Amino acid sequence: GAVVSQHPSRVICKSGTSVKIECRSLDFQATTMFWYRQFPKKSLMLMATSNEGSKATYEQGVEKDKFLINHASLTLSTLTVTSAHPEDSSFYICSASQRNTEAFFGQGTRLTVV
Amino acid sequence: AQKITQTQPGMFVQEKEAVTLDCTYDTSDPSYGLFWYKQPSSGEMIFLIYQGSYDQQNATEGRYSLNFQKARKSANLVISASQLGDSAMYFCAMREVDRGNTPLVFGKGTRLSVIA
Repeated sequence: GAVVSQHPSRVICKSGTSVKIECRSLDFQATTMFWYRQFPKKSLMLMATSNEGSKATYEQGVEKDKFLINHASLTLSTLTVTSAHPEDSSFYICSASQRNTEAFFGQGTRLTVV
Repeated sequence: AQKITQTQPGMFVQEKEAVTLDCTYDTSDPSYGLFWYKQPSSGEMIFLIYQGSYDQQNATEGRYSLNFQKARKSANLVISASQLGDSAMYFCAMREVDRGNTPLVFGKGTRLSVIA
């Protein structure tokens, strides 16, 4: 079946550096992918919608210059957390689907900024 | 706007017993889909079951069934014969299905603990 792969699963970085997270659809083309953020013991909150070949659409309150999204191909979307700070530490997870009756998630990335 | 409400922050169930996790939703869209996911401590989101708003029958997938009551706007998840491995967070979610590829809207989740 369809699978979404996300990498890395865990990353620790120093404050001020940037981190790139990749989300790949493995056996289907995804013109749209979604990026969510999850704080500990909280639900998933939509950050942005990644559109292949065009600019991402960000949810209110999400800094587009902080969270850069690139969807350069039909199977890959990347989220770059720029100039990361400790408050950016969180669980980030992507999602993609071929049909509206399904939604597949990547494994998630646990980001820790020290 | 769509909204999902899960009123049970935590639930306990005895192993081998059945448990119902509550979910109510609100939407003005006539076409929507309802999802349940399991999230173990590893963080991955495991798809459990899907119910379309026009589906006549309640969805079932193995030990999971969805008690869909459209008039009440509820989509409760029933897990039969609970197992220790069922201990996890459970999220109810929904999306529109007639406006192309739309994101899921999630409830706050219910933490299920299965007791031996």
